[in-house]
Amino acid sequence: DAGVTQSPTHLIKTRGQQVTLRCSPKSGHDTVSWYQQALGQGPQFIFQYYEEEERQRGNFPDRFSGHQFPNYSSELNVNALLLGDSALYLCASSLVSSTEAFFGQGTRLTVV
Amino acid sequence: QQQVKQSPQSLIVQKGGISIINCAYENTAFDYFPWYQQFPGKGPALLIAIRPDVSEKKEGRFTISFNKSAKQFSLHIMDSQPGDSATYFCAASEMDSSYKLIFGSGTRLLVRP
Repeated sequence: DAGVTQSPTHLIKTRGQQVTLRCSPKSGHDTVSWYQQALGQGPQFIFQYYEEEERQRGNFPDRFSGHQFPNYSSELNVNALLLGDSALYLCASSLVSSTEAFFGQGTRLTVV
Repeated sequence: QQQVKQSPQSLIVQKGGISIINCAYENTAFDYFPWYQQFPGKGPALLIAIRPDVSEKKEGRFTISFNKSAKQFSLHIMDSQPGDSATYFCAASEMDSSYKLIFGSGTRLLVRP
C-alpha cells in the first residue's frame, strides 16, 4: 500500500515565478491538507480539500491556491514566489471522518 | 488561542534513559492531540495520539500523559535509543476545524550511545 506521495522532491524557482506541487493521497483517503514547514519550525496549515472543495484555510495569502481532483489527488499552486516561500511543503491525507493524518515526504522548494 | 507551546527546544539523553517533551495549549475546543516524529529530509510520521477523555496512553516505549485541567500534555520515551534521535512535534486539532493540525515548534532529541 503506497503511502502519501509528493512530487517533485526538490525544486528551485526564481522570485516572481509560479510553482505547482503535486500530491497523491494514501489509498482510500479522501481528504488532503497542505502544510508549509520553514526550516527549524513546525508545519503551518495552508488549506484542506475534500470533495474537490477547499474546506478550511490557514493564514496564507491568495497567492497560495489549490485543487483536488476526482481521484482525490491534489495540487498546490503558489504564484509570484517570494524568497520567504522557501520551505518544505507537506501534503497530508486522511479520511474526512478520521482524525489521523499521514504525511508525505514533502517537496523542498527553494526560491532564489 | 490557537497556539501550541512546546518545550524543550532540544534534548540530549543517554541511551536507556527517559526522554520527556512537554506541550501546552489554550484552546479548550481541541479534542485530538497527536505526536509526530520527523527525521531529516522526511515528512512527519504519526507516533501516538490521545483524546482528552483519557489521562494516559501507552504504545510500546512511547507514552502520552494528558492533564486536561492544566491544558498540558507530554510525551515520554522510555529506554531511549539512538534510533529515536529525531525531531518531535506535538499537535492539536478540533472537529469543528476539520481537524486541521496546529503544531508545536518541535523538540530536537539526541540520544547518545
